[in-house]
Amino acid sequence: NAGVMQNPRHLVRRRGQEARLRCSPMKGHSHVYWYRQLPEEGLKFMVYLQKENIIDESGMPKERFSAEFPKEGPSILRIQQVVRGDSAAYFCASSPGAANEKLFFGSGTQLSVL
Amino acid sequence: KNEVEQSPQNLTAQEGEFITINCSYSVGISALHWLQQHPGGGIVSLFMLSSGKKKHGRLIATINIQEKHSSLHITASHPRDSAVYICAVSRAQKLVFGQGTRLTINP
Repeated sequence: NAGVMQNPRHLVRRRGQEARLRCSPMKGHSHVYWYRQLPEEGLKFMVYLQKENIIDESGMPKERFSAEFPKEGPSILRIQQVVRGDSAAYFCASSPGAANEKLFFGSGTQLSVL
Repeated sequence: KNEVEQSPQNLTAQEGEFITINCSYSVGISALHWLQQHPGGGIVSLFMLSSGKKKHGRLIATINIQEKHSSLHITASHPRDSAVYICAVSRAQKLVFGQGTRLTINP
């Protein structure tokens, strides 16, 4: 049973480009969470999704950021027109049920914006 | 003031020492998580608890709901325990994280 898979591990983009980060949850998990870790800062919640639904996006910046978790395929975190301040590690976690169950984390995607 | 406070921020100890990391929170929670982040960046969930005490190998986690406080203990510490340990609380289906404690165990 593969763990939570994130790709790519490292992503380099120039300012103004788009970044797409993918997360495949563990088999049987229907809840996906995205977190961001800025350099020298702690982890911050971004968005919580279930299949085809955004449950809580209160941690997402209002502009340029979007997330989806389609019926088929991985969850995608999309950042349009990236800026240097978007450089961070983005982690995905999944759980079989609601948030008060144990979470399983992916290895993260390190986004660097030049 | 952060909703989740950890102490110490940094901890260096010798192999074999007993380690304690503390976490205090200021809000109502449904559960508390202890996470381990390795130098390579990967995150592993160590414990999730809502009351009492849990033990896994050399790791012990306790929580006092009334005092809004949790501790993570490592017995017989080893250099491979060197990592950042993060306390996080579950609120309204999302996690709120502490800043982490960087632990270094010297041989």
